[in-house]
Amino acid sequence: EPEVTQTPSHQVTQMGQEVILRCVPISNHLYFYWYRQILGQKVEFLVSFYNNEISEKSEIFDDQFSVERPDGSNFTLKIRSTKLEDSAMYFCASSEGTGREAFFGQGTRLTVV
Amino acid sequence: DAKTTQPPSMDCAEGRAANLPCNHSTISGNEYVYWYRQIHSQGPQYIIHGLKNNETNEMASLIITEDRKSSTLILPHATLRDTAVYYCIAIVNNQGGKLIFGQGTELSVKP
Repeated sequence: EPEVTQTPSHQVTQMGQEVILRCVPISNHLYFYWYRQILGQKVEFLVSFYNNEISEKSEIFDDQFSVERPDGSNFTLKIRSTKLEDSAMYFCASSEGTGREAFFGQGTRLTVV
Repeated sequence: DAKTTQPPSMDCAEGRAANLPCNHSTISGNEYVYWYRQIHSQGPQYIIHGLKNNETNEMASLIITEDRKSSTLILPHATLRDTAVYYCIAIVNNQGGKLIFGQGTELSVKP
């Protein structure tokens, strides 16, 4: 069964450093998403991406965040200068279309120290 | 998107049906009801969705009331592996697919 894969599964970084979280969405999917979940809290929407551009973003997704689809298979989330409060699980998701279910990866646990 | 209300937690005996309620009294005519679950901090997993008719798939059944103000997710024979947080989400299908997760219902399936 096709799946969304995320790497790395766990990343530890120092405050102020840049991190790039990587995702390989399901191959025929057209919509891509990033969500995050701070420990013990709700899953929160960050950004959606379609046709090589951001289609929607939340208030959380400020200038420190960016997304990119550098080739035909990868979808990345970059945090330019990490803060302690960026520590969370980050989930990538993809779907065939807006009326279709989203498939989530297993997440990257980001720890900022 | 309509706000949904779910009980914070429920228990179910293994092998019995788990019936998870969701209230969405402000749902509009073009909003679908989606159910996802999250097993122990793994990525959320899609279960089922519907507009107004009852739906069934290999995982679960979804019963939507005639006035669409509430729905029930039914896991017909719950197993220990169904222990998870279950989320009921109302969304308009043609608006980008963004999911707004609430607190969900934490279902504990007990032997």
